[in-house]
Amino acid sequence: QKEVEQNSGPLSVPEGAIASLNCTYSDRVSQSFFWYRQYSGKSPELIMSIYSNGDKEDGRFTAQLNKASQYVSLLIRDSQPSDSATYLCAVTGGADGLTFGKGTHLIIQP
Amino acid sequence: GAGVSQSPSNKVTEKGKDVELRCDPISGHTALYWYRQSLGQGLEFLIYFQGNSAPDKSGLPSDRFSAERTGGSVSTLTIQRTQQEDSAVYLCASSLVAGGGNTIYFGEGSWLTVV
Repeated sequence: QKEVEQNSGPLSVPEGAIASLNCTYSDRVSQSFFWYRQYSGKSPELIMSIYSNGDKEDGRFTAQLNKASQYVSLLIRDSQPSDSATYLCAVTGGADGLTFGKGTHLIIQP
Repeated sequence: GAGVSQSPSNKVTEKGKDVELRCDPISGHTALYWYRQSLGQGLEFLIYFQGNSAPDKSGLPSDRFSAERTGGSVSTLTIQRTQQEDSAVYLCASSLVAGGGNTIYFGEGSWLTVV
């Protein structure tokens, strides 16, 4: 059974600092990795996807993937209070839907 | 449509009643997924459809839960004899096809409260 592990937090980061969110997964054949952001009372929205080892940058967000270590992370630079949310790591490798972690609750302190 | 559409957005029902939740995926998306999220919890995968078929129903919590999809588009999740533990938000999502690197897009959810 696929497992995706995240620290539930809360992770508290001062405004303007870098927030680092981490995720590990159990299924070595996983090929695709996603980070979703979920505000309280809202549905998840896709922030980043990453498929190959290394870094992928999009604006203030950088996703990092290390398949050998089965580890994926999300960095948020210049953190803003509006970044406060729960961040869900998701993994896929088979024919079914994504397997989600339980999410990390991020709080950006003004 | 432009996005995944779910209805009703909110439903309060009495324990023991049946409820139907509807999902209309993004136009052209052949894969459709149902997830459940209880308050403060992570996403629980329920079932997915590729076209009209559901290859894996093992995520459904009990035999009170069923789902169908007809015409390769709209799906209905039915919960029979609802219990208080069924209270959650039920999220529907769709993607072009199931699996691989296809991005999954979520609807706004159906918030179910069983009293």
